[in-house]
Amino acid sequence: KQEVTQIPAALSVPEGENLVLNCSFTDSAIYNLQWFRQDPGKGLTSLLLIQSSQREQTSGRLNASLDKSSGRSTLYIAASQPGDSATYLCAPAGGGNKLTFGTGTQLKVEL
Amino acid sequence: DAGVTQSPTHLIKTRGQQVTLRCSPKSGHDTVSWYQQALGQGPQFIFQYYEEEERQRGNFPDRFSGHQFPNYSSELNVNALLLGDSALYLCASSLGGYGGGTDTQYFGPGTRLTVL
Repeated sequence: KQEVTQIPAALSVPEGENLVLNCSFTDSAIYNLQWFRQDPGKGLTSLLLIQSSQREQTSGRLNASLDKSSGRSTLYIAASQPGDSATYLCAPAGGGNKLTFGTGTQLKVEL
Repeated sequence: DAGVTQSPTHLIKTRGQQVTLRCSPKSGHDTVSWYQQALGQGPQFIFQYYEEEERQRGNFPDRFSGHQFPNYSSELNVNALLLGDSALYLCASSLGGYGGGTDTQYFGPGTRLTVL
């Protein structure tokens, strides 16, 4: 059974800081891994998808890495902004693209 | 291009009642997955529909059932509601069905179900 852990659970940083969110998972037999953001009471917005054969994926100020063998992924956010405040969720995909989620990292970027 | 849509937005029911939630996938997508998100938790996989059949199921009781229509839209039904069923129910769509494991999943805004 896949289990996902995200560290830290909460993070507060000043605007402009670069930051790293960590995700670990127990079953390395994954097809891909997605990072999402979720604003309070809202649905999930897909940020990045990394295929199991890839090591990195970039979109704007976001960079995600994947080390499948060690069961780890990181999301790097450059030059953080108040609009980045949200909960960030990682979700490795097993067979049939079934996603398993951690409880997320709640990020607050302060002015 | 419309993304994933869900209805209703909010719903209040009492214990023992039945509820139906609806989802329309992103244009061109043929696979719909349902997730339950309790407050403060990550979403949990309920089941997945492809070609009008349930292809995968998570650890949820038979009170949770679903359906997929020929136009790929889907319904989630929950019978005999319990207080613990109160949650945000999320629908995700993707392309490729059971064999497809490489496609981005897009989520709808969710339906907030409150059971009193």
